[in-house]
Amino acid sequence: GQQLNQSPQSMFIQEGEDVSMNCTSSSIFNTWLWYKQDPGEGPVLLIALYKAGELTSNGRLTAQFGITRKDSFLNISASIPSDVGIYFCAGNSGGSNYKLTFGKGTLLTVNP
Amino acid sequence: KAGVTQTPRYLIKTRGQQVTLSCSPISGHRSVSWYQQTPGQGLQFLFEYFSETQRNKGNFPGRFSGRQFSNSRSEMNVSTLELGDSALYLCASSLGTAGEKLFFGSGTQLSVL
Repeated sequence: GQQLNQSPQSMFIQEGEDVSMNCTSSSIFNTWLWYKQDPGEGPVLLIALYKAGELTSNGRLTAQFGITRKDSFLNISASIPSDVGIYFCAGNSGGSNYKLTFGKGTLLTVNP
Repeated sequence: KAGVTQTPRYLIKTRGQQVTLSCSPISGHRSVSWYQQTPGQGLQFLFEYFSETQRNKGNFPGRFSGRQFSNSRSEMNVSTLELGDSALYLCASSLGTAGEKLFFGSGTQLSVL
């Protein structure tokens, strides 16, 4: 089945630093989504990407849909303590496939 | 607009029992998906419903079942609970197109003792 490799598994950074994380897939995706999950809550959608090469921003967050359609990147600039959480990438291959495949997540810790 | 509502938030059951979880999607959303989240396996797809029909199913045993009602609300049922069924069960809704953005509820934390 489809698998997403998300890296890094965890990051420990200082407040104000920039962060990068990425997801790679062995198969092509038509949609890439990035979510953030706080403890005890459901994932919250951050950014959605629908075209290869697309670069989309949401405040301090920027995500890109890789040209090969097999990868995606999420950058967070000038991190703040409330950025702490688990970040998930998710992909969908389209057609009659109505499920999302999720990466295992990146645990981000921000030291004030 | 209200978000996705899942009830109950917490459940404690014993092995062998069965459980029913409920999900109310965002108004106007006709697709409801269910995911199981565990620390070891991450988010695993259970099934997806659209207009009361199951369109996709994940690799879970038949003990896991679901249904969707005409008002798009959905329930999932787990019978003969096992210890390994302890997890956060997440419901997500969308408009229903493949690859559409999913909006998640806060989940139901199920503990099987």
